[in-house]
Amino acid sequence: QVQLVESGGGVVQPGRSLRLSCAASGFIFSNYALHWVRQAPGKGLEWVTVISFDGSIKYYADSVKGRFTISRDDSKNTLSLQMEGLRAEDTAVYYCARADRGGMTIEHWGQGTLVTVSS
Amino acid sequence: QSGLTQPPSVSGSPGQSVTISCTGTSSDVGGYNFVSWYQQHPGKAPKLMIFGVSQRPSGVPGRFSGSKSGNTASLTISGLQAEDEADYYCCSFAGSNTLFGGGTKVTVL
Repeated sequence: QVQLVESGGGVVQPGRSLRLSCAASGFIFSNYALHWVRQAPGKGLEWVTVISFDGSIKYYADSVKGRFTISRDDSKNTLSLQMEGLRAEDTAVYYCARADRGGMTIEHWGQGTLVTVSS
Repeated sequence: QSGLTQPPSVSGSPGQSVTISCTGTSSDVGGYNFVSWYQQHPGKAPKLMIFGVSQRPSGVPGRFSGSKSGNTASLTISGLQAEDEADYYCCSFAGSNTLFGGGTKVTVL
């Protein structure tokens, strides 16, 4: 079955960097687009970024554009999110998610990793 | 990148039906048949309940159904059950963007 396991969350000071990873298994990793979606404490879901199945296309939410970078390593079945210039408003649970074969629907979700930006 | 609009809460008694609306624009909900709905219980990851406006993944009970008219999509839960109490989010593909609604808390009275 599809498994997505996030790691790398923690407490970080404003302005610092953090890198999240997502280890995938149970499917052919290189066939699917992948997303990061976050959820601030007590708030709703917010889409962050997506990378196409072949890594050639990347889109970002305006709130993270220029600060976050999504990447994938198909040899390791791993998705990453490099976060720079972190702000208090980036505090959230970050979910790794896999799209369906068509690429237009977020189909499977990981359990999430908590990022807290605080001094 | 404005989000989609959902009512904050809806409620119903067991066995009743509830409908959650999700309003967007012609650039998202109205422009694509890629509206999905997610159920989220407290402390858990979201779960896909509806995709492609009205299709149910295998394993999702038939009491969940989706539809769309113009720029507004809807999720209906027929025959409400206690385990349906959760937060529900709509989501729409929007080209270079993916939008979520603010979420609706469904309460089973």
